[in-house]
Amino acid sequence: EAQVTQNPRYLITVTGKKLTVTCSQNMNHEYMSWYRQDPGLGLRQIYYSMNVEVTDKGDVPEGYKVSRKEKRNFPLILESPSPNQTSLYFCASSSLVDSYEKLFFGSGTQLSVL
Amino acid sequence: GNSVTQMEGPVTLSEEAFLTINCTYTATGYPSLFWYVQYPGEGLQLLLKATKADDKGSNKGFEATYRKETTSFHLEKGSVQVSDSAVYFCALNSGGYQKVTFGTGTKLQVIP
Repeated sequence: EAQVTQNPRYLITVTGKKLTVTCSQNMNHEYMSWYRQDPGLGLRQIYYSMNVEVTDKGDVPEGYKVSRKEKRNFPLILESPSPNQTSLYFCASSSLVDSYEKLFFGSGTQLSVL
Repeated sequence: GNSVTQMEGPVTLSEEAFLTINCTYTATGYPSLFWYVQYPGEGLQLLLKATKADDKGSNKGFEATYRKETTSFHLEKGSVQVSDSAVYFCALNSGGYQKVTFGTGTKLQVIP
């Protein structure tokens, strides 16, 4: 089954404790992206990657890091989380075959930073 | 820059009512337009899309027409069901730049 898998589904942590949210897709998609969803603000893009070792900032990259060492994986790293990073996070992927116009989303990671 | 404006929610309708969710956009060039749907506890799924002016996207009884003259892409459905309860996001992708801009989402609640 074609899917984007995020882990964990829920995460509660404390300020300053480094964490990683994993994202993996099994569709051989070139493009992957991270979004955060906040009430009243919709989805905002954090980082995206056009292919292995190619990443770029989205609209709200501050406080986040990403890496794309393998085509299927695109982890999101919070080196020193702060309460304003409490949010619902989504990973998404798409393919050149679809002109990158159909995004496939994971089920989301609800992060709470205390 | 690009932006998408959606009507405020939540929208509450009775089953079998007619649905319209308004969406307008600002973009450079000739963007592709999308509607995504997010069911409770799930990620977003592409509902329909239109890639050029006057195109009509349709899926599962939902329709939206790309209106360049009014920069709009309103979502409609003739008869909603309880199972349509979800959050609907309008989005655009400006050609040549693989970055989708989303609206803030409109929550739809359909009551029996």
